[in-house]
Amino acid sequence: EAGVAQSPRYKIIEKRQSVAFWCNPISGHATLYWYQQILGQGPKLLIQFQNNGVVDDSQLPKDRFSAERLKGVDSTLKIQPAKLEDSAVYLCASSFAGANNYGYTFGSGTRLTVV
Amino acid sequence: DAKTTQPTSMDCAEGRAANLPCNHSTISGNEYVYWYRQIHSQGPQYIIHGLKNNETNEMASLIITEDRKSSTLILPHATLRDTAVYYCIVRFFTDKLIFGTGTRLQVFP
Repeated sequence: EAGVAQSPRYKIIEKRQSVAFWCNPISGHATLYWYQQILGQGPKLLIQFQNNGVVDDSQLPKDRFSAERLKGVDSTLKIQPAKLEDSAVYLCASSFAGANNYGYTFGSGTRLTVV
Repeated sequence: DAKTTQPTSMDCAEGRAANLPCNHSTISGNEYVYWYRQIHSQGPQYIIHGLKNNETNEMASLIITEDRKSSTLILPHATLRDTAVYYCIVRFFTDKLIFGTGTRLQVFP
């Protein structure tokens, strides 16, 4: 079974620039999550999708962050404009809807550095 | 907020058992205890989960106290590749995963 794919693996941008991250979940996984992990901290949930609908985006800084999952499969997370404090690893995860005794499967993440 | 308390860091000699404790005194009756680990530069990886009974799989064993207020993850024969941050998470099986800061386990030769 293929894992959760994320790209790019690394990204360096200047503050106030825009950046986008891509995630392809495991086939058949209806639920998709984006997490932000700042160095030394545990991952923090930004947004949860169920198919192509948003279930929870309460922790997403909507003034600069946006995410979409138009066809219920791939997802894109965008930051516009980026700030220095956005430097982090952005993790995508997916799971079956409903009962999922094995929890989530995570991708390897995109490491963003804002300079 | 995370519902668990874990030590910040632990050391373990290679080949010995690593016992990682977790306190979850406010756990409710239908919440599971999950363990994940995160090796450097990778996403978190599922290890094991349990509700009431002790559980064992090819990676680890999970011991949950009878009152369910604490648990211990046991890696029976730690290797250098087990060096990672280990997260203990309490959740209902359909809830979101909320991570704390975890325990940084260092396995040394």
